[in-house]
Amino acid sequence: RKEVEQDPGPFNVPEGATVAFNCTYSNSASQSFFWYRQDCRKEPKLLMSVYSSGNEDGRFTAQLNRASQYISLLIRDSKLSDSATYLCVVGVGTSYDKVIFGPGTSLSVIP
Amino acid sequence: SAVISQKPSRDICQRGTSLTIQCQVDSQVTMMFWYRQQPGQSLTLIATANQGSEATYESGFVIDKFPISRPNLTFSTLTVSNMSPEDSSIYLCSARGANYGYTFGSGTRLTVV
Repeated sequence: RKEVEQDPGPFNVPEGATVAFNCTYSNSASQSFFWYRQDCRKEPKLLMSVYSSGNEDGRFTAQLNRASQYISLLIRDSKLSDSATYLCVVGVGTSYDKVIFGPGTSLSVIP
Repeated sequence: SAVISQKPSRDICQRGTSLTIQCQVDSQVTMMFWYRQQPGQSLTLIATANQGSEATYESGFVIDKFPISRPNLTFSTLTVSNMSPEDSSIYLCSARGANYGYTFGSGTRLTVV
């Protein structure tokens, strides 16, 4: 089993739609979780950290379920500019320094 | 968060040669890392660049092939040695500070011919 797995995608959704991405991780000791966004031919950029209580940033909501070792990202009211690859990133064990990147889920928002 | 300048942004190299990639951070950071991203794939960690000591390499990566330097808290280099076409990839440096997550350089797109 891979350490971090994501929905394979691609997701093609109309503007204004709500879309959810799922991610599972294998190491129950992991302590840090993030969602990154990577635009085509660009470096990854932090979208949001994921906290145990769940957190929201505008149209984006991240949830963490430690028991199921599952992370989600919900995007509401999708914009064309949301089109990108979304990377689930998980800390290695109890380390706060080293992380593992998931394979990414591609999103295309269509006019 | 820190701003990372990475260069070169791209290069085309002959097989058997070596390329050194530089990463300069605009502030002192606790951790620096080097990643590889092959076409259509996610990021794979090559090594953690340790300030003043040898880098810590991940499984499948060795110092002879990817020597790394980190002489201070703001600068690191990665060398891709004795290159072959299989080394064609994007190489990214990353930094993590005490109070923020990971930021990345803009990447070096390497093509080996």
